[in-house]
Amino acid sequence: GENVEQHPSTLSVQEGDSAVIKCTYSDSASNYFPWYKQELGKRPQLIIDIRSNVGEKKDQRIAVTLNKTAKHFSLHITETQPEDSAVYFCAASNRGPFYFGSGTKLNVKP
Amino acid sequence: DTAVSQTPKYLVTQMGNDKSIKCEQNLGHDTMYWYKQDSKKFLKIMFSYNNKELIINETVPNRFSPKSPDKAHLNLHINSLELGDSAVYFCASSQGGNQETQYFGPGTRLLVL
Repeated sequence: GENVEQHPSTLSVQEGDSAVIKCTYSDSASNYFPWYKQELGKRPQLIIDIRSNVGEKKDQRIAVTLNKTAKHFSLHITETQPEDSAVYFCAASNRGPFYFGSGTKLNVKP
Repeated sequence: DTAVSQTPKYLVTQMGNDKSIKCEQNLGHDTMYWYKQDSKKFLKIMFSYNNKELIINETVPNRFSPKSPDKAHLNLHINSLELGDSAVYFCASSQGGNQETQYFGPGTRLLVL
């Protein structure tokens, strides 16, 4: 089955700085890579996703890159704000369920 | 107009009991899932259903039995609850299963004493 590894497990940045979270996956057949944000006590919510036919996608302050050859993908958040503080999960999927990374707790200090 | 809903929100019960969690989606999606999030926040797929049929069962003990009466509902029944079953259980749904966004329910926090 798919194995997704995510780093770092915790990340602390100053407001306005950038944050980068990296994931690797094992199944070369995986073709969909979403990123979810989970605030304390809440449900995971999709913030951005990328499909295997695309190398990069951007949505305002958030961008995701995908390297299929190396089987890794990354989340980039620029100009971080305190409300970006949460746990971020990457996931990989091939026709169905998501296999999640272990999560990154992002703390943005004002 | 909640998209994916779950009941109950909290469930506290004794070891050995049987309990059910209900999930409903009003998005018209074909595929529904159950995920378990443990105390370390790991999110792991348990089951995947497409149009009321079980597609995936990811090495879940057979004490867990999903039931889908129609494609808008996917319930989870757990027999003989154990301490290790304590977790947050999330239901999710998507339109189809390939490269589709999954929408999560609010979660059911289960505590087994």
